[in-house]
Amino acid sequence: AQKVTQTQTSISVMEKTTVTMDCVYETQDSSYFLFWYKQTASGEIVFLIRQDSYKKENATVGHYSLNFQKPKSSIGLIITATQIEDSAVYFCAMRELSGSFNKLTFGAGTRLAVCP
Amino acid sequence: ETAVFQTPNYHVTQVGNEVSFNCKQTLGHDTMYWYKQDSKKLLKIMFSYNNKQLIVNETVPRRFSPQSSDKAHLNLRIKSVEPEDSAVYLCASSAKDRGNTEVFFGKGTRLTVV
Repeated sequence: AQKVTQTQTSISVMEKTTVTMDCVYETQDSSYFLFWYKQTASGEIVFLIRQDSYKKENATVGHYSLNFQKPKSSIGLIITATQIEDSAVYFCAMRELSGSFNKLTFGAGTRLAVCP
Repeated sequence: ETAVFQTPNYHVTQVGNEVSFNCKQTLGHDTMYWYKQDSKKLLKIMFSYNNKQLIVNETVPRRFSPQSSDKAHLNLRIKSVEPEDSAVYLCASSAKDRGNTEVFFGKGTRLTVV
């Protein structure tokens, strides 16, 4: 069964710094897809970035990038030049390629506070 | 910009009542979902549905049932609510039902059972 673990419950950083949020996963599949989502204070969940397991290059979108370490089953989210509006809860998620039940399994989330 | 619309935003009801939440997506997606988010922010899938197949998470109580009129709509009915049903219910959709497709979420319906 697939499992996603985010051990950091909350992080606080100063504005304009870089932050890394950790995520480790468990899967029996050789092919899978990893996602990061952001939930704002209003409750809205927004897709940020994705990493396909068969790709060696780390994905980058805007000021979000990933640190994909496949041997460690780890997919860290890096936010550079953080802004106040980056304050939110960040969820790591995984979907396996196979499996009878198509589902996106989420981690417990990491709450990020960006301080001025 | 939101393209998955949920109503109502909030609902308060008493134990034993029946409730129904609506969801519509305007993305032309083939697959829709319902997720439950508890007070600790844990997100768990309840249903996955496309025009061919409904897949139910085996942990979902039978009092929950999805209802779909077409691929753009997936409502959620709870037959007889219980206190543990208090949560935020999130509707979502994706272009495909597998692979690297992104999932788009609505803003959620917060249910409080008193």
